[in-house]
Amino acid sequence: GAVVSQHPSWVICKSGTSVKIECRSLDFQATTMFWYRQFPKQSLMLMATSNEGSKATYEQGVEKDKFLINHASLTLSTLTVTSAHPEDSSFYICSATAPGEAFFGQGTRLTVV
Amino acid sequence: GENVEQHPSTLSVQEGDSAVIKCTYSDSASNYFPWYKQELGKRPQLIIDIRSNVGEKKDQRIAVTLNKTAKHFSLHITETQPEDSAVYFCAARETQGAQKLVFGQGTRLTINP
Repeated sequence: GAVVSQHPSWVICKSGTSVKIECRSLDFQATTMFWYRQFPKQSLMLMATSNEGSKATYEQGVEKDKFLINHASLTLSTLTVTSAHPEDSSFYICSATAPGEAFFGQGTRLTVV
Repeated sequence: GENVEQHPSTLSVQEGDSAVIKCTYSDSASNYFPWYKQELGKRPQLIIDIRSNVGEKKDQRIAVTLNKTAKHFSLHITETQPEDSAVYFCAARETQGAQKLVFGQGTRLTINP
């Protein structure tokens, strides 16, 4: 199947700093990618839809100025958590859809201290 | 938008017995229903999916049934094994816009030896 690669797999940052997470489709082009957040023992909650060459679409309640999304090419989307706080600590996962199926990145465990 | 409800939240069965997890969805236009298995700290793995033009699909010990009229679909695992222990998520894909995947709340399945 198609491969989606996410980097880094884990990151620890200080409160107030920014963290960038990359999501790449390795063997297919993705005009749309999705960013999810998953808190412990909870489901995947869609944060935003990343659209190549245009602005991301954010779900209700997600701050677009805090979670910056850039989808500059057909194989790369980035999520930047700005001014991170401990409550932003979570598991962030991206996905992209190859025809008929969604493929997920490995996920990024973000810990803000 | 789509809303997916999943039950039960936890399920414990004896090894060798069957496990059934149920989901309901709200948008009758949704046409794709995947099931994912997620182990701790890992990405969701697709285990089986079904499209709206099919009522049942089976892959070895795993089967999924879909009732479009009632808007519910179920995962059936037979002859359960300890390695089936994980969190399982159902999802429904919207047909409008970006065709987002909306996830159920998840079911923690434990197989007791």
